[in-house]
Amino acid sequence: KQEVTQIPAALSVPEGENLVLNCSFTDSAIYNLQWFRQDPGKGLTSLLLIQSSQREQTSGRLNASLDKSSGRSTLYIAASQPGDSATYLCAVRNDYKLSFGAGTTVTVRA
Amino acid sequence: GAGVSQSPSNKVTEKGKDVELRCDPISGHTALYWYRQSLGQGLEFLIYFQGNSAPDKSGLPSDRFSAERTGGSVSTLTIQRTQQEDSAVYLCASSSTSGDQETQYFGPGTRLLVL
Repeated sequence: KQEVTQIPAALSVPEGENLVLNCSFTDSAIYNLQWFRQDPGKGLTSLLLIQSSQREQTSGRLNASLDKSSGRSTLYIAASQPGDSATYLCAVRNDYKLSFGAGTTVTVRA
Repeated sequence: GAGVSQSPSNKVTEKGKDVELRCDPISGHTALYWYRQSLGQGLEFLIYFQGNSAPDKSGLPSDRFSAERTGGSVSTLTIQRTQQEDSAVYLCASSSTSGDQETQYFGPGTRLLVL
């Protein structure tokens, strides 16, 4: 059974700092890995999807890396803003189902 | 275009009652997924549909849970004889196919509270 772990569980930084969120998974036979954002009381918004053959994906201030062999992914958010405050979830895909980590709750202080 | 929609957005029910949760996937998406997000449990997979067929029901927590999909579109998740531990946010997602390149797009969820 796939186990996904996210560290840290919570993070508080001043505006402008870079954020580093970590995700690890136990079964490296994945199709892809997705990073999602969840705002309180809302659904999930997909941020980045990295295919198993890729090493990283970038979108604006977001960059995600994937090391499939070691079962690790890192999400970098550059120059954080208060609007980045949310819970960030990592999910890995085996077959058709996603297995999620518990999330990292980020607070960016103005 | 329209995203995944779910109804109701919130549902409060009494223990022992049946509830139906509805999901409208993105038009043309053949794959549909139900997940549950509980406090202390995180997000867990419930069931997957390809068209109207459910090849994998392994995530359904008990036989009180069932789901169907009709016309390759709308899906309904039914919980019979609800229990307090069923309280959670039920999320639906769809993707254009079940291929490994596909992103799953999530709806806003239905927040279920069983009293």
